[in-house]
Parts: sequence; structure tokens; C-alpha cells
Amino acid sequence: TQLLEQSPQFLSIQEGENLTVYCNSSSVFSSLQWYRQEPGEGPVLLVTVVTGGEVKKLKRLTFQFGDARKDSSLHITAAQPGDTGLYLCAGRVSGGGADGLTFGKGTHLIIQP
Amino acid sequence: DAGVTQSPTHLIKTRGQHVTLRCSPISGHKSVSWYQQVLGQGPQFIFQYYEKEERGRGNFPDRFSARQFPNYSSELNVNALLLGDSALYLCASSLVQGRWTGELFFGEGSRLTVL
Repeated sequence: TQLLEQSPQFLSIQEGENLTVYCNSSSVFSSLQWYRQEPGEGPVLLVTVVTGGEVKKLKRLTFQFGDARKDSSLHITAAQPGDTGLYLCAGRVSGGGADGLTFGKGTHLIIQP
Repeated sequence: DAGVTQSPTHLIKTRGQHVTLRCSPISGHKSVSWYQQVLGQGPQFIFQYYEKEERGRGNFPDRFSARQFPNYSSELNVNALLLGDSALYLCASSLVQGRWTGELFFGEGSRLTVL
């Protein structure tokens, strides 16, 4: 059973379109992070959300943490080919110790020119 | 400043062999974590080390071991390799403040292929 479910798994859209990807769990997370990974590279942190209901914006990317801290979404406005990559959500279970992050399987995003 | 560096970048082994992967953290970072990323999946936590002590362990068999050196670099060892160990092995370094492990900075990984 995957602790963090990401959807969709694959998404291919045209440049200029908007999109939303989701990260869901039945567990409560003390914090949740979104990473982007390009082929041949390690994941790069985009944002960390900590408070339920929190919304953070990073240029054309908007991240939201669910009120119950069990889910999160990433919305991209006017997608560009440079947004292509694997988007991973990762979290630390609430009450957990110093163990590592739990990652979802990721959303493979392709933005076609 | 140099980021997280890992070596080797690619390697091929056969079943039953062992492998040692190396990681140098960002200067000033005292915590190193190891993750396994199988093709098409998200990274899976293997170990975290802080101040040369194991601080966390994921659900991996005892064939996997690691250590951290006084200069905070780290090695991941895998014995008796299986085909299923083929993966990208990622090292991440971070600052640690009490129980809070801050942002993870990942290296580019070591791509292991087991034949």
C-alpha cells in the first residue's frame, strides 16, 4: 500500500494550458514537500508546507496543503516546456521520529511546445 | 560551493557481488540520507546518518548497510546483489536542528545495474 498516492501518473499537455496534480494520503503529515526531478538528476525541492490549509506560490506554481494535512495539490498556470519533469510529493508522518521522507510515485509531466 | 557529490555515477555488477557507493555532503551539513529510486517510482528511504550515528532506517534487508565518517561523508554498501537492486541510489545532505531535519539537497545519484 502506497502511503502517498499521486495522480495523475502521467500528464501530457500543450504549452499555455493549466494543470493540477494531486497528492493524497490517509495519514496525517507534519509537513509535506514537493520536488521536481529531471532525467539524470536528483530531486530538487520546490516548496515545503507545514500548516493545514496553507497556500504557497512560486511564480506560476501554486501549492496547497489540505486542512487536515492529509493531502496536497500543485497547480501550474500557463505551463511551459521548461516545466517538464517528474513531480514528487514527500512527507513526514505526524508524530514520527527522525526517519526519512516518504515519497509518492510521482507525476510525469510533459509540456509540448 | 559544491553540492552533494556521489560516486560512481554509473556501475554494472553481477548477481551476488557487493557494491560500495560514496557520498560527500554539502560543506557544513552533518546529516546524510540514502534513498533508492527504482525506475518509474519515487525514492524510497534507506538510511539517515547524523554525527556518524544511524538515526533512521527504512524497510530494507540487512544486505544494505551504511556508515558516516568523521568528515560527514558516507558510504552505502549492498552485499549479495540481486537483480531487483538495480536502481538509482540517491544521497541527500541536510542541516539538522534537534529533531527537525531541514531541506534535503540531493546528489545526482549512482545508477546501479545488476546483471
